[in-house]
Amino acid sequence: DARVTQTPRHKVTEMGQEVTMRCQPILGHNTVFWYRQTMMQGLELLAYFRNRAPLDDSGMPKDRFSAEMPDATLATLKIQPSEPRDSAVYFCASGLDTGELFFGEGSRLTVL
Amino acid sequence: SQQGEEDPQALSIQEGENATMNCSYKTSINNLQWYRQNSGRGLVHLILIRSNEREKHSGRLRVTLDTSKKSSSLLITASRAADTASYFCATPKAAGNKLTFGGGTRVLVKP
Repeated sequence: DARVTQTPRHKVTEMGQEVTMRCQPILGHNTVFWYRQTMMQGLELLAYFRNRAPLDDSGMPKDRFSAEMPDATLATLKIQPSEPRDSAVYFCASGLDTGELFFGEGSRLTVL
Repeated sequence: SQQGEEDPQALSIQEGENATMNCSYKTSINNLQWYRQNSGRGLVHLILIRSNEREKHSGRLRVTLDTSKKSSSLLITASRAADTASYFCATPKAAGNKLTFGGGTRVLVKP
């Protein structure tokens, strides 16, 4: 049963620490998305890759966030340094150009 | 502001009743999608309706699309407690299916 896998599922860290979240998209999917979900802002698109190339990261705070796809089986989202306002659930999703997105279960980040 | 906005924000119904929620969007689209999110879980795709379609069914779900009004509705018939979740509409912002989501409708189905 193909699914998007995200790690870690939960992360508690202190302000200033580096946080790396990982995502394994579904094999064969050519688009990968990172979303952030909070009660206040809802679902925000942070980054978007197509065929591993970053196409849009305009939703991402550039000074502390970075997103990469080192290979077709791994996408990473890094926050350095982390701040309390980064506390949220981060979702990775993958799909094909014209269809639905498949979401992972999310990484719940708490920055103290 | 978000491309899709759902209405109402929250809905509480009894099991067996129908639930209807609406989505409005701002720009032209080639398709509109609905997703469900159970508490603490990721989003799950429910249905995609293309801009040249007016209505689509999937099991107990019925989706309509009115491109002249830039709106869509999702109807869940004969609701069950398991339908308790948040429901989101999403529209592609550009080629390549870059989806933007509305704020969602929280549905509570009471047994």
